[in-house]
Amino acid sequence: EVQLVESGGGLVQPGGSLRLTCAASRIAFNSYAMSWVRQAPGKGLEWVSGISGSGGSTYYADSVKGRFTMSRDKSMNTVHLQMNNLRGEDTAVYYCAKLGVSGHYHDYWGQGTLVTVSS
Amino acid sequence: EIVLTQSPGTLSLFPGERITLSCRASQSVGNSFLAWYQQKPGQAPRLLLFDASRRATGVPDRFSGSGSGTDFTLTISRLEPEDFAVYYCQQYGSSPLTFGGGTKVEVK
Repeated sequence: EVQLVESGGGLVQPGGSLRLTCAASRIAFNSYAMSWVRQAPGKGLEWVSGISGSGGSTYYADSVKGRFTMSRDKSMNTVHLQMNNLRGEDTAVYYCAKLGVSGHYHDYWGQGTLVTVSS
Repeated sequence: EIVLTQSPGTLSLFPGERITLSCRASQSVGNSFLAWYQQKPGQAPRLLLFDASRRATGVPDRFSGSGSGTDFTLTISRLEPEDFAVYYCQQYGSSPLTFGGGTKVEVK
């Protein structure tokens, strides 16, 4: 079965940066588009960013555009989310998720990594 | 951006009951590109249905979905103890991808 494992979360001050990593196994990783989806404490799900299978195209929610950058490393079977100029409202569990073959639904998810933005 | 509204916010039910959850879109979802997820406390979401009515691998057939355009439903024919959770819909017919606010199904 597909496994996705996120890392890189933690406590950061407002205005700071963090880089999240999602490592994939048991999957032809480079064939699939991927997403980052976040969930603020006690709240619902919010799509944050996406990347094509080739890595040539990236997409962002308006709330993070210009601050977050998603990338993928094909040789390492990883995707990354570089988060700059972090704000309190970015506090959330960040999930890495694989997009389906036939559409942009999320068929496999990691366990999530918590990002806390606070002074 | 397509806004998805889920109702009700919370449902209190007994095991064995039949349940229908609603997901209404602010504009038509192209190709019925709508998915449903289940999330239990402390866990990642799990895909249940995609393309409005297609069950994901391993999902029991008591879960079914229907709808098109702006109105979609998730039905659980007979609630099992493990079905008490929060359910989210997500549209992927247009960018950006958006999720509904969720419906919590709790034990009465």
